[in-house]
Amino acid sequence: DQQVKQNSPSLSVQEGRISILNCDYTNSMFDYFLWYKKYPAEGPTFLISISSIKDKNEDGRFTVFLNKSAKHLSLHIVPSQPGDSAVYFCAASEGGGSNYKLTFGKGTLLTVNP
Amino acid sequence: GAGVSQSPSNKVTEKGKDVELRCDPISGHTALYWYRQSLGQGLEFLIYFQGNSAPDKSGLPSDRFSAERTGGSVSTLTIQRTQQEDSAVYLCASSLGLGQSEQYFGPGTRLTVT
Repeated sequence: DQQVKQNSPSLSVQEGRISILNCDYTNSMFDYFLWYKKYPAEGPTFLISISSIKDKNEDGRFTVFLNKSAKHLSLHIVPSQPGDSAVYFCAASEGGGSNYKLTFGKGTLLTVNP
Repeated sequence: GAGVSQSPSNKVTEKGKDVELRCDPISGHTALYWYRQSLGQGLEFLIYFQGNSAPDKSGLPSDRFSAERTGGSVSTLTIQRTQQEDSAVYLCASSLGLGQSEQYFGPGTRLTVT
């Protein structure tokens, strides 16, 4: 029973264009969401997060949008760069100060072509 | 500063043998987490430590898995009588404390059980 779903295993985008990575969740108790980026042979690195009290959080080229009613979030990268090519994981937690357990999706491999 | 380190980076073992995986968290991080990523899957939460205590062991797949943490620092994950389905990348992460959602991951240990 996957509580966090990333339905696109891969995405290919041209350099300079926008990359949109999607994530759906089923657990209505989730109230904190994160995106991690992972290069081969390295551990995931934190990218950006959003609390359920917000619907948007922006950090440079990265913006995360949260639609609670649809239980959907997305990560926008603009403009995309070849160095953004990596696997992107969506993760969620139930928060409330005890958000030790992150539930991850299976990841989306983003390829940014020069 | 030094990040989370894990050893060994790769481990090949025969079915039925015991293995120990080691994690050195970032200095000063009180919370430590173990995850595993099987082929084609997302990260699966195994266990977390707050200091040397592991309040939630519910993520451990079976009683062949155990973990300990000493001195509030290094942690070892032990798998007894390994099975082929234990083959995965085992990832360790640490954070400043519980409730700090930004978990910093190590590079992982790739375990292959033959």
